[in-house]
Parts: sequence; structure tokens; C-alpha cells
Amino acid sequence: EDQVTQSPEALRLQEGESSSLNCSYTVSGLRGLFWYRQDPGKGPEFLFTLYSAGEEKEKERLKATLTKKESFLHITAPKPEDSATYLCAVQAGTSYDKVIFGPGTSLSVIP
Amino acid sequence: DAGITQSPRHKVTETGTPVTLRCHQTENHRYMYWYRQDPGHGLRLIHYSYGVKDTDKGEVSDGYSVSRSKTEDFLLTLESATSSQTSVYFCAISEPGTGASNQPQHFGDGTRLSIL
Repeated sequence: EDQVTQSPEALRLQEGESSSLNCSYTVSGLRGLFWYRQDPGKGPEFLFTLYSAGEEKEKERLKATLTKKESFLHITAPKPEDSATYLCAVQAGTSYDKVIFGPGTSLSVIP
Repeated sequence: DAGITQSPRHKVTETGTPVTLRCHQTENHRYMYWYRQDPGHGLRLIHYSYGVKDTDKGEVSDGYSVSRSKTEDFLLTLESATSSQTSVYFCAISEPGTGASNQPQHFGDGTRLSIL
């Protein structure tokens, strides 16, 4: 069964304390892994797409990496404004109903 | 930001009443989606559309119907609302992928629906 899990469920960091969020997936025929950021009361905001193992993408303090079984979102020297829920989603096959979202990691960055 | 507008943003209604949520896009994207987001379940697909008048069911479609008469508008209808349909509803849009790659979905800011 296709599945996406994320860990940890919640993460509390001090400002400047780097860490990583994990997204593990079991799907056949990966056609894209997507990272989103979601702020309270808002819709998910697209961050990155990764298509193949070994690929990396960066944006400001965020860096996403992909292996054959998981993806990591590395946060370097986070700031309080990085506090949000980070969602991972995986698309398999060509059917557009095959986007599977993980439950998310709630990140809090304390000043 | 992707040009996606959801209306209304908040709604409170009673069990048994019909409810229609609207999603309007200005991006001319071909695909549109309706999701619901609930604690403990994450985002779950209700229905999606791959073109005008072309729609299909998602994972949790029971009790919901959709219509798309124009590229820019995608309507979600709860024919007879139940308390279990209390949720936050998100609309998303995307373009077709190319080759072996798919394009990301972009989301609106949601409609918070409470059914009493």
C-alpha cells in the first residue's frame, strides 16, 4: 500500500539550532516528492519538488534531499519565522488522484 | 502567490442543509482539486477535475459532488451536510506534468466549514 509518514510529529528548536525533518515513503513509480509549508489558517505553500534520488534543492535556510525511500528537509540556523507545519507529499504513477500527503511535522522555533 | 480564491472563507450551517463552496483561479491551470484537512488525517482528496466538465472521485468522495463549467471555477457541493463533514476544505490547482515528472499543486487558503 502506498504510504507517506513524517517524523517527528512535532519539533521544538532554539533559534539557530539546525535540525532535519524526515519524510519516508513507500510508493511505486515515484513521479515527484513535494515539500510544503503551512501556516495556521492558511493553505499549504509550495517549497520544493524532487524527482529522483540524489537530487537536492535549496531555498534560504531550507534544503531538501531525496533518496529512494525518504526525503529530508534540513533547516539551518532556523529563525522564529520558520515556525510552521511542514508537509511532504508524494505523487506516483500518472493518475492525479495518486498524490499522497504525509501528516506533517509541526516546527516551533523559540527565540 | 497562485491566484486561487476560495469562498466563503468561513461558514456555519445546520445538518441537512445544502452547502456549496467555490474555488476560483486566475492561472488558467488545467487541473483542480478539492481536499479536506482534519486533525489526525492530513489532507485527503475529495474530487478532482482534469478539464472543463471532466471530474473524478478521490479518496473521500461520499456525500460530495463537484462541477466545473468553466476553466476558472470548481464548485464543491454537500447535498445534505452532516456533522462529519465539519472540516477545513482546500482547493488546489496544477498543470499537467511532462515526461516522467509531475507538477506541484498550489493551494488556496481554505474554507472553514462547521456543521451543527
